[in-house]
Amino acid sequence: DIQMTQTTSSLSASLGDRVTISCSASQGISNYLNWYQQKPDGTVKLLIYYTSSLHSGVPSRFSGSGSGTDYSLTISNLEPEDIATYYCQQYSKLPWTFGGGTKLEIK
Amino acid sequence: DVQLQESGPGLVKPSQSLSLTCTVTGYSITSDYAWNWIRQFPGNKLEWMGYISYSGSTSYNPSLKSRISITRDTSKNQFFLQLNSVTTEDTATYYCARGGNYVGDWGQGTTLTVSS
Repeated sequence: DIQMTQTTSSLSASLGDRVTISCSASQGISNYLNWYQQKPDGTVKLLIYYTSSLHSGVPSRFSGSGSGTDYSLTISNLEPEDIATYYCQQYSKLPWTFGGGTKLEIK
Repeated sequence: DVQLQESGPGLVKPSQSLSLTCTVTGYSITSDYAWNWIRQFPGNKLEWMGYISYSGSTSYNPSLKSRISITRDTSKNQFFLQLNSVTTEDTATYYCARGGNYVGDWGQGTTLTVSS
């Protein structure tokens, strides 16, 4: 299986900050990388697919980038509703696998 | 808009089988997409378990392959998860979700505890 690693398990930032969350794969995944947001109540939403494509309805302050084995999610101008845990997921090879999550808190 | 809703027993004894139902409204499960089961363990690790496609084909996580079955009832627009010989390590929140390469729509999740 491809292992997905999010080395930062928690992150604290101030409202209005620019935040970057990183994810690395154990092998190249050819940009087949998605980002999800999980709110404290358990609700999960797709934010970004195929590394950098913004899912419908997702605010433009969310963006994604990366290639090869290293990928990142950036939130510009952090807002209170961005308090959540963020997960990366690869779909280069089955079984699809997820990173361990990065919990974002507001300072 | 599509909505997915999981339902299940909440508590299962070790060695028994668990059965969960996902009821889909607003979209036919035979039209398109893969219909997935994904679980989240205590501690928040997410695991993709498998899917049944709109055509009825299935794909399972090899880590579960001997214990898992995903089926559907197209007349009720539902799909199901069966997991056999459960242990306490199967305690998790179980999500059903729609998507192929990316999972665009998730249910709210149902918590399942395995305990005697």
